[in-house]
Amino acid sequence: EAGVAQSPRYKIIEKRQSVAFWCNPISGHATLYWYQQILGQGPKLLIQFQNNGVVDDSQLPKDRFSAERLKGVDSTLKIQPAKLEDSAVYLCASSSGGPSYNEQFFGPGTRLTVL
Amino acid sequence: GENVEQHPSTLSVQEGDSAVIKCTYSDSASNYFPWYKQELGKRPQLIIDIRSNVGEKKDQRIAVTLNKTAKHFSLHITETQPEDSAVYFCAASIIGSSNTGKLIFGQGTTLQVKP
Repeated sequence: EAGVAQSPRYKIIEKRQSVAFWCNPISGHATLYWYQQILGQGPKLLIQFQNNGVVDDSQLPKDRFSAERLKGVDSTLKIQPAKLEDSAVYLCASSSGGPSYNEQFFGPGTRLTVL
Repeated sequence: GENVEQHPSTLSVQEGDSAVIKCTYSDSASNYFPWYKQELGKRPQLIIDIRSNVGEKKDQRIAVTLNKTAKHFSLHITETQPEDSAVYFCAASIIGSSNTGKLIFGQGTTLQVKP
């Protein structure tokens, strides 16, 4: 089966600019996650969707970050305005969902550099 | 909230030796513990996982042990090979009908296997 797709793979912007990332999960996967991975650290969950509803966005900096998952499939993550500390790899993951164990499959990530 | 500590941050072994990476978690309700391998510039990939109802799980050269009382779990790689060189992340999660299955990652261990 096709994996999680993300675009773009790389993005360089200046601080205070806006940027958007796109994720297409594995077909049929109800749960979608956005993680931020700063260099040298483990991924940190930003937001989790179940279908098109938000399950957890407790660590999303809502003053500048927003995310949506219209129609419960693709998702976009936006940063406006970007700060230097937003430089990181943004990983999207999906899982089949449900109450039991469900492996998360990661996309290749988008590497963001904020100058 | 849940916190996961991972040690060591870097580990260098000779080919054929064993490698052990240790993690501790803070939330006693955690019941699912996956390990991810991330090669340079690539996506994290699940290599093994364990649930809280078992103490050990093996898959060829890889094994994971869990001590619920002490709240720590470890990854063991035997007969290491150069292709095992990567960053390894542990994670902890609570899975179940009323939980989101959110993964909390450790900081990562860079494993170098010298030929």
